[in-house]
Amino acid sequence: DAEITQSPRHKITETGRQVTLACHQTWNHNNMFWYRQDLGHGLRLIHYSYGVQDTNKGEVSDGYSVSRSNTEDLPLTLESAASSQTSVYFCASSLDQGANTEAFFGQGTRLTVV
Amino acid sequence: DQQVKQNSPSLSVQEGRISILNCDYTNSMFDYFLWYKKYPAEGPTFLISISSIKDKNEDGRFTVFLNKSAKHLSLHIVPSQPGDSAVYFCAASGGGGSTLGRLYFGRGTQLTVWP
Repeated sequence: DAEITQSPRHKITETGRQVTLACHQTWNHNNMFWYRQDLGHGLRLIHYSYGVQDTNKGEVSDGYSVSRSNTEDLPLTLESAASSQTSVYFCASSLDQGANTEAFFGQGTRLTVV
Repeated sequence: DQQVKQNSPSLSVQEGRISILNCDYTNSMFDYFLWYKKYPAEGPTFLISISSIKDKNEDGRFTVFLNKSAKHLSLHIVPSQPGDSAVYFCAASGGGGSTLGRLYFGRGTQLTVWP
């Protein structure tokens, strides 16, 4: 079955370290998204991509970067982790830019920056 | 600037009764609306959607109503069951151009269904 997987599920890192969260989908979806979920803020968009070599900033992109070298993967990198980036991170994918379809979410990565 | 708003952070309903979750949006270009359900330690899962050309969509116990003039949508769950206890997120997409396909989420409503 097609799916979307995130790794790791849990991560503890130190302030200032570079961290990369992986996201892999097997639906061959063009659109991929990274969100963070924080209490009182719901799901906020970090970065998104509409296809290979395409990346766009979301509403909370500072301190994060993504790259899209193939259709299946959109890794999220925290350049220098900060305590404010302690959060639960969700990756999602959807079919393509022109279609009104739902996005499918991964199980999430809980990141703690100490 | 929150374009999708869920003003009730929590809702408590007795089993068997109706649950009504509300959502408002500000962007008149949105043309597709979705509800997601999220259990603790899991990713959000798609529940039901509605296109702006409709005002109602049903799927079993779940019905979504859309009032475009008021920029308001609601999710009705009838009858509510304890397994429905979760956080419900309202989302919207549209707007055209570079934001097409992107989902804008509300902050969520925690639904608790008690026996």
